[in-house]
Amino acid sequence: ETGVTQSPTHLIKTRGQQVTLRCSSQSGHNTVSWYQQALGQGPQFIFQYYREEENGRGNFPPRFSGLQFPNYSSELNVNALELDDSALYLCASSPGALLNTGELFFGEGSRLTVL
Amino acid sequence: GESVGLHLPTLSVQEGDNSIINCAYSNSASDYFIWYKQESGKGPQFIIDIRSNMDKRQGQRVTVLLNKTVKHLSLQIAATQPGDSAVYFCAESVTGGGADGLTFGKGTHLIIQP
Repeated sequence: ETGVTQSPTHLIKTRGQQVTLRCSSQSGHNTVSWYQQALGQGPQFIFQYYREEENGRGNFPPRFSGLQFPNYSSELNVNALELDDSALYLCASSPGALLNTGELFFGEGSRLTVL
Repeated sequence: GESVGLHLPTLSVQEGDNSIINCAYSNSASDYFIWYKQESGKGPQFIIDIRSNMDKRQGQRVTVLLNKTVKHLSLQIAATQPGDSAVYFCAESVTGGGADGLTFGKGTHLIIQP
């Protein structure tokens, strides 16, 4: 069974630029969530996609946007990058939008540095 | 806003001893409480969860305790091993990882001494 894979693993951008991060969900999982993890902190929920629609969002501005594709893979786009956007971006997949367990399957993340 | 927090940022235990990691939560609407383990350079890994209608749940070498009266959650790891070294996060959710996502605490770094 293929786990959650993310790309790129590391990238460096400058303030004001835009970035796209990609995620392939675990086989059989139709729901993808994105989290931002700043250094030394716990992950923070950005949003969740289920059946290609955003069905939940955390406290992040509109310049954080996403997509989910028919094969359930997903993208996270961040526009007008700010220094505080430097973080590890984690993708997590799950077999449904309402889990009743709290068990998410995380990838290893994309480390974004904004200079 | 409401948040999940941890009492201790670092916990050092001897190999073979039991470890107890504590967590406080504040959202009274949360129905799911989950523990995740994150090793260096990896994403969080699910350990165990508990619903709000339970006060104890056991897994393999781990036990989670929930005290709703004082809004406290703990993770007990029996006979800790070197592979248990990691950062442990508690998380809470109303829907169990659904549309409201998981709210994570800051984490406790568990260090296993030989």
